[in-house]
Amino acid sequence: EAEVAQSPRYKITEKSQAVAFWCDPISGHATLYWYRQILGQGPELLVQFQDESVVDDSQLPKDRFSAERLKGVDSTLKIQPAELGDSAMYLCASSTTGGTSTDTQYFGPGTRLTVL
Amino acid sequence: GDSVTQMEGPVTLSEEAFLTINCTYTATGYPSLFWYVQYPGEGLQLLLKATKADDKGSNKGFEATYRKETTSFHLEKGSVQVSDSAVYFCALPSGAGSYQLTFGKGTKLSVIP
Repeated sequence: EAEVAQSPRYKITEKSQAVAFWCDPISGHATLYWYRQILGQGPELLVQFQDESVVDDSQLPKDRFSAERLKGVDSTLKIQPAELGDSAMYLCASSTTGGTSTDTQYFGPGTRLTVL
Repeated sequence: GDSVTQMEGPVTLSEEAFLTINCTYTATGYPSLFWYVQYPGEGLQLLLKATKADDKGSNKGFEATYRKETTSFHLEKGSVQVSDSAVYFCALPSGAGSYQLTFGKGTKLSVIP
């Protein structure tokens, strides 16, 4: 069964350092999402891609976060500089088209970030 | 805007007990509704979904019926097992054109032998 891959699974960094997370969606899925999940809460969208284009990044803190999906396949999310409040689980998800409300989003295992 | 409200946890049940986790929603129109499950240290897995009113989603003994009259999508299971211990999230797609998922806060279920 195809899965969404993410790496690393765990990342510990010091504040003011740069971190990067990688996601490889299910093959053929045009839509890719990055969510942030703070401990004890539900995930919240950071950015959504349709192929290589950003569809929604209204919740992405653009002064320190950036995301790209250059060839419309895998994606990288970067934080520079990291702050204590960025400690969370970062989840990547993908769906076939993203263009309808019936599409199922499939999630990867996540990257647990701890900022010291 | 669109929102999801779940019953607050944590919920602790004995093995073989009946489970209900309440979920109500506020949305424009009649969106699809989803239940996801998150096991400790892992990402989210789709548990079940319903795409229109009166649909019943089911998987692994879990069921939920899309009730537009009460704007609800309660999760039920007749006999829980220790392996069902996890956090359960109700969600709906929102945002015209983007259909990002809006999640409830999650309900943590612990099943004891």
